[in-house]
Amino acid sequence: GAVVSQHPSRVICKSGTSVKIECRSLDFQATTMFWYRQFPKQSLMLMATSNEGSKATYEQGVEKDKFLINHASLTLSTLTVTSAHPEDSSFYICSAGGTREQFFGPGTRLTVL
Amino acid sequence: DQQVKQNSPSLSVQEGRISILNCDYTNSMFDYFLWYKKYPAEGPTFLISISSIKDKNEDGRFTVFLNKSAKHLSLHIVPSQPGDSAVYFCAASATGGGNKLTFGTGTQLKVEL
Repeated sequence: GAVVSQHPSRVICKSGTSVKIECRSLDFQATTMFWYRQFPKQSLMLMATSNEGSKATYEQGVEKDKFLINHASLTLSTLTVTSAHPEDSSFYICSAGGTREQFFGPGTRLTVL
Repeated sequence: DQQVKQNSPSLSVQEGRISILNCDYTNSMFDYFLWYKKYPAEGPTFLISISSIKDKNEDGRFTVFLNKSAKHLSLHIVPSQPGDSAVYFCAASATGGGNKLTFGTGTQLKVEL
């Protein structure tokens, strides 16, 4: 199947700093990518839809100024958690794909101290 | 508002027996359903899917059943193997929904020797 990578896999940062997470589709082009977060023992919650060449679409309750998304090319989307706080600590996962199948990245574990 | 629900947070079965994971949904616009398998600290991996025009789809040891009138689907794994131990998420999408997936809360499957 298609491959989606994420970098970094794990990041620990101090409160107040910003963290950038990259999501790449390695063997296909993706005009749309999705960003999810998962809290321990909970479901994957869709945060936003990243659209190549246009603004991201955020789900209700997700602060767009807090979670900046840039879809710079057909193979790269970035999520920047700005002024991170401990409550932002979570597992962030991206996905890309077509109408009938989404391929997920391996996820990024963010820990904010 | 949890539109996709997996009411069993955990399931334990013996190796060689059948595992049945259940999923219910409330949104009648959903017309495509997927099952994903997830290990800790990894992204979900696609298992099997089914369109609402079908009531069954089979792929090797995995079979998904869809009961549209009951808004219920299930994943059958037979025979279950220890390597199947993971968290299983069902997900749903709707035509015209921009490829967005709505995930269930997950079921932790443990296959015991």
